[in-house]
Amino acid sequence: NAGVTQTPKFQVLKTGQSMTLQCAQDMNHEYMSWYRQDPGMGLRLIHYSVGAGITDQGEVPNGYNVSRSTTEDFPLRLLSAAPSQTSVYFCASRTGSSYNEQFFGPGTRLTVL
Amino acid sequence: AQKVTQAQTEISVVEKEDVTLDCVYETRDTTYYLFWYKQPPSGELVFLIRRNSFDEQNEISGRYSWNFQKSTSSFNFTITASQVVDSAVYFCALSYQGAQKLVFGQGTRLTINP
Repeated sequence: NAGVTQTPKFQVLKTGQSMTLQCAQDMNHEYMSWYRQDPGMGLRLIHYSVGAGITDQGEVPNGYNVSRSTTEDFPLRLLSAAPSQTSVYFCASRTGSSYNEQFFGPGTRLTVL
Repeated sequence: AQKVTQAQTEISVVEKEDVTLDCVYETRDTTYYLFWYKQPPSGELVFLIRRNSFDEQNEISGRYSWNFQKSTSSFNFTITASQVVDSAVYFCALSYQGAQKLVFGQGTRLTINP
């Protein structure tokens, strides 16, 4: 199993550009989520999905869109990048209960100039 | 609301010292879950342990041990005889029954000096 994969690993954008961060998992997990990590703030939930076709907002959803057309993939779209979106982005997945551990991808370091 | 506080932003010790990372949580839920994750310099997040609110038994895994005390709402992590490879950022996190997110603390950056 590859686990949770993310692409790209690094990305630099200019303000106003759009892009999609890719996330895929091969563990057949129902639940997938996106977090951003900023210095001194831990990780904060952006969006999550409890299954194909179902998505919902997390703690900091503004400026981001998601969709979940398959169990495996959960892309995160930045519609119009802003410097405040400079961060490290992590995708995660888990199965079943919130008691279960989340498996995290390797992260995408995004810089918006 | 749920909240996790890791008051120690950075800790630096010399190799072979014991070190304890503090985690204090707030929740009104009676069924909740606590986690520790490690983020080494390479950047990935590595799951270390989980504990549910009904299990206050302490856990030991090699040089790592965890002390869960509901009376003080704490879930502290101790590394015995620390090693340079333990250098990382450590996150404590909280979830609860039916939750759709993990609530993370701010993280503690641990540096083990040779």
